[in-house]
Amino acid sequence: DTAVSQTPKYLVTQMGNDKSIKCEQNLGHDTMYWYKQDSKKFLKIMFSYNNKELIINETVPNRFSPKSPDKAHLNLHINSLELGDSAVYFCASSRRADSSYEQYFGPGTRLTVT
Amino acid sequence: KQEVTQIPAALSVPEGENLVLNCSFTDSAIYNLQWFRQDPGKGLTSLLLIQSSQREQTSGRLNASLDKSSGRSTLYIAASQPGDSATYLCAASPRETSGSRLTFGEGTQLTVNP
Repeated sequence: DTAVSQTPKYLVTQMGNDKSIKCEQNLGHDTMYWYKQDSKKFLKIMFSYNNKELIINETVPNRFSPKSPDKAHLNLHINSLELGDSAVYFCASSRRADSSYEQYFGPGTRLTVT
Repeated sequence: KQEVTQIPAALSVPEGENLVLNCSFTDSAIYNLQWFRQDPGKGLTSLLLIQSSQREQTSGRLNASLDKSSGRSTLYIAASQPGDSATYLCAASPRETSGSRLTFGEGTQLTVNP
């Protein structure tokens, strides 16, 4: 069974559209994260939720809105997509919010905005 | 602000060779350092997590060391195999109890030639 899964794997859309990426983990972890990997391959944290509560909100345009319906799911909704949003978005989870715990990553969603 | 650098950016070695990947960080007040492997088009696989109180961790042919005072970590791969070909990423985390902000390096792209 996949521990951290994301849908869709690929997403191609036009500028100005609104899209969502979904993430689910079956590890029983409390904490989930969204990271963005840009064209230069740098991975940067965007958000983190712990038991459905937002605990990390980095400097990200407010067009990005995460939502956690329960602690096993963390979705990312993006409004008014721009060319610069093209990237690979990774979801991750850890057992607890404490930095003692390893983070486990999903396979990524490659978003292409045309 | 933490910055993580990995050298070299790319490395090509013949099968069977022992090799060392380097990771340096600017802020020595890290809590742990995590090494990941990323295969093309796939997510990140956690390899080793070293807590700040530890000097090294081993898993099979992999050995990771951490020297906080010098701001360096190394990943040693023994008897490399073509299946080891991937991008290796290191990520540093500060001491946090409310979400763990991993700061990633750019990665080292390793190619092991048969």
